[in-house]
Amino acid sequence: DVKVTQSSRYLVKRTGEKVFLECVQDMDHENMFWYRQDPGLGLRLIYFSYDVKMKEKGDIPEGYSVSREKKERFSLILESASTNQTSMYLCASSLPQLYGYTFGSGTRLTVV
Amino acid sequence: ILNVEQSPQSLHVQEGDSTNFTCSFPSSNFYALHWYRWETAKSPEALFVMTLNGDEKKKGRISATLNTKEGYSYLYIKGSQPEDSATYLCASPDRGSTLGRLYFGRGTQLTVWP
Repeated sequence: DVKVTQSSRYLVKRTGEKVFLECVQDMDHENMFWYRQDPGLGLRLIYFSYDVKMKEKGDIPEGYSVSREKKERFSLILESASTNQTSMYLCASSLPQLYGYTFGSGTRLTVV
Repeated sequence: ILNVEQSPQSLHVQEGDSTNFTCSFPSSNFYALHWYRWETAKSPEALFVMTLNGDEKKKGRISATLNTKEGYSYLYIKGSQPEDSATYLCASPDRGSTLGRLYFGRGTQLTVWP
């Protein structure tokens, strides 16, 4: 069964901490994505990557960075966590173009 | 940026009711339309990928139709059950992009009461 695995289901961090959210896929997909989901706002794209070491900013990249050193792993980094980054974070992967996404189960991050 | 909209934002129905909701998208440069179901505490799950005008897809009690000329898709659930309670998302890729990024609507949150 194909899988996208996010390292943590729930995470609580303090303001100012550096936070790493990890995502691993086992489907050899080129594309990987990080979204956040907030009530009433839907899924908003933070960053995506279409190849190893390649990244593109999404719609809300401020305060985040990403790393893709290996094809199967895409990390989201909160350089200095703030309370407005409290959210549900979803990772997804896909083949290019027509194919849909396979999603991870999400990480609910609370920044206190 | 592709503007994908969904309505209604939320819906509450009784068990056994049939229901439907709408996804609208720009009809120019249409490429594909995706539907996902996202149950609480689970991963969003792909329901349908639709590409052709007039396309109709079915999975159990859930079906979807597509009108690319006018830029909308309907999702229907026949005889809703409590296990159908979820957020239903639609999404479309930008035809001008080769990268496969999807643009999502804000979702319709369905609650089915027993």
